[in-house]
Amino acid sequence: GQQVMQIPQYQHVQEGEDFTTYCNSSTTLSNIQWYKQRPGGHPVFLIQLVKSGEVKKQKRLTFQFGEAKKNSSLHITATQTTDVGTYFCAGALLGGTYKYIFGTGTRLKVLA
Amino acid sequence: KAGVTQTPRYLIKTRGQQVTLSCSPISGHRSVSWYQQTPGQGLQFLFEYFSETQRNKGNFPGRFSGRQFSNSRSEMNVSTLELGDSALYLCASSLGTDVSEQFFGPGTRLTVL
Repeated sequence: GQQVMQIPQYQHVQEGEDFTTYCNSSTTLSNIQWYKQRPGGHPVFLIQLVKSGEVKKQKRLTFQFGEAKKNSSLHITATQTTDVGTYFCAGALLGGTYKYIFGTGTRLKVLA
Repeated sequence: KAGVTQTPRYLIKTRGQQVTLSCSPISGHRSVSWYQQTPGQGLQFLFEYFSETQRNKGNFPGRFSGRQFSNSRSEMNVSTLELGDSALYLCASSLGTDVSEQFFGPGTRLTVL
């Protein structure tokens, strides 16, 4: 079946360091979404990427969608303690099936 | 506007029982998706409903079922509960178009003893 893998599984960084999580799909995606889940909370939508090679920025966060639409990345510049949480990518399959396969998630811990 | 609400927030059941969870989407949203979240398996897609019709289904046994009402509220039912069904069950509402963000509810924490 379709799989979406994320690496790394865990990441501990010092406050101020950069952080990147990578998302890889076994099949071509229609679009990809990114979510953040704080400890004890629920996933919160961050952004959606639709076009091949698309790059979007939100303040210190940069999101990229690969040319082949099979991979994506989230990069955080100069992490802050408020960035703590688990970051998930969610890929929508081609064909307009409205079914999102969530990645395995990357848990980020920021040390002050 | 009000967010996604899920009831109950916490539930304790015993093996063999059945359970019904409820999700009220954001007003105007016609799509409701259900996910199971466990530490070992992450977020797994159960099914998605749009305008009272199941549009997509994940790889869960038939014990897991759902429905959606005309007001877009959705229910999920799990029959013959097993220990492995203990999880956080999340619903997400969206407009249901090709590219629409999902808004998650706070979830229902189900514990099966």
